[in-house]
Amino acid sequence: DAGVIQSPRHEVTEMGQEVTLRCKPISGHDYLFWYRQTMMRGLELLIYFNNNVPIDDSGMPEDRFSAKMPNASFSTLKIQPSEPRDSAVYFCASSWGGRETQYFGPGTRLLVL
Amino acid sequence: QQQVKQSPQSLIVQKGGISIINCAYENTAFDYFPWYQQFPGKGPALLIAIRPDVSEKKEGRFTISFNKSAKQFSLHIMDSQPGDSATYFCAALNDYKLSFGAGTTVTVRA
Repeated sequence: DAGVIQSPRHEVTEMGQEVTLRCKPISGHDYLFWYRQTMMRGLELLIYFNNNVPIDDSGMPEDRFSAKMPNASFSTLKIQPSEPRDSAVYFCASSWGGRETQYFGPGTRLLVL
Repeated sequence: QQQVKQSPQSLIVQKGGISIINCAYENTAFDYFPWYQQFPGKGPALLIAIRPDVSEKKEGRFTISFNKSAKQFSLHIMDSQPGDSATYFCAALNDYKLSFGAGTTVTVRA
């Protein structure tokens, strides 16, 4: 079975540019989570969806960040405009039922110059 | 402010030794406590988990000890192997949201 798929795996961009990160959850999972990992702040939950509907976006740092889930197989996290402090590894995770095991993707390493 | 405090930040253990990682929390609404293992360049993967009505759970060489009254839990890795070298995160679940500890980098020397 394919796990959670994220693309791109690495992204280097310049400050002010728009960045779009993509995630394909495990088929059949009804919860999708976006996390950010940095040395300073560790793993932080940004937003999560249930059945494609955003449930809690309280972890989204600023209005520059937005996330969508147009269908059960695809989600995006967009940063517009990007800033150097957005540099981090962004993980997508999915689960069935939301309460227990979350399966993480390999992450997207973002560097904003 | 991290809701789950994890220590130590790193540890080195000899092959065959025991690794112990400790976590503490304050929020009594947490009701599920998983441990995740992360290798460089990979996403975290669930290793073992426990619910607060259980004091200990063992899976192979990995054991979670849970002290509800002290609001503390720990991971013990018995007979540590070089392949166990990774970063370990404790976490706690409230509603559908996981709060992670800062992580412990474990290095097992052959």
